[in-house]
Amino acid sequence: GEDVEQSLFLSVREGDSSVINCTYTDSSSTYLYWYKQEPGAGLQLLTYIFSNMDMKQDQRLTVLLNKKDKHLSLRIADTQTGDSAIYFCAESDAGRRALTFGSGTRLQVQP
Amino acid sequence: DARVTQTPRHKVTEMGQEVTMRCQPILGHNTVFWYRQTMMQGLELLAYFRNRAPLDDSGMPKDRFSAEMPDATLATLKIQPSEPRDSAVYFCASGLVLTPKPEAFFGQGTRLTVV
Repeated sequence: GEDVEQSLFLSVREGDSSVINCTYTDSSSTYLYWYKQEPGAGLQLLTYIFSNMDMKQDQRLTVLLNKKDKHLSLRIADTQTGDSAIYFCAESDAGRRALTFGSGTRLQVQP
Repeated sequence: DARVTQTPRHKVTEMGQEVTMRCQPILGHNTVFWYRQTMMQGLELLAYFRNRAPLDDSGMPKDRFSAEMPDATLATLKIQPSEPRDSAVYFCASGLVLTPKPEAFFGQGTRLTVV
């Protein structure tokens, strides 16, 4: 079945870059996503990438996809304290479109 | 500002009671998802609908959970009877599956506590 894995915790200093990693197993994954969840809130879609791309940049966010290794990463440049949250990686296929989520990576940004 | 709206935001109920959670998807979206979030299991897909028809509800305990879309502006998730193990945050999400735009937008969730 589908499986998405992430490391549980990452701590960085304000102003540094953060890199959150994710691996997935489903070779039919067509879309890969990054969501952000702040305490007590819903999931906010940050960005997504098609499986036929290897990079996408959106302001401070850079997504890298290695389809051969089924590895996805999210880089946040100039990390701010407001970036402290849980970041979820997710995947879906072209037909079903239901998302399968990883367990989330808690990002702690130290001032 | 288009958003997915869920009600109630919080619900505390006694074991055995019926619980109904409601979701208003973003206008024009044709796909609605229900997810449950717990510390132990993370985010689990319970059910999803496309054009109001249930496509997959294999993630739901069938004996007590039911999901419906009475119309395009309302999705409901009902638990009867509720049990303490149903305590979780329930999220609704909606998306438009017609174009290569795969975004799914989440509501704020309903935090359910069954005592």
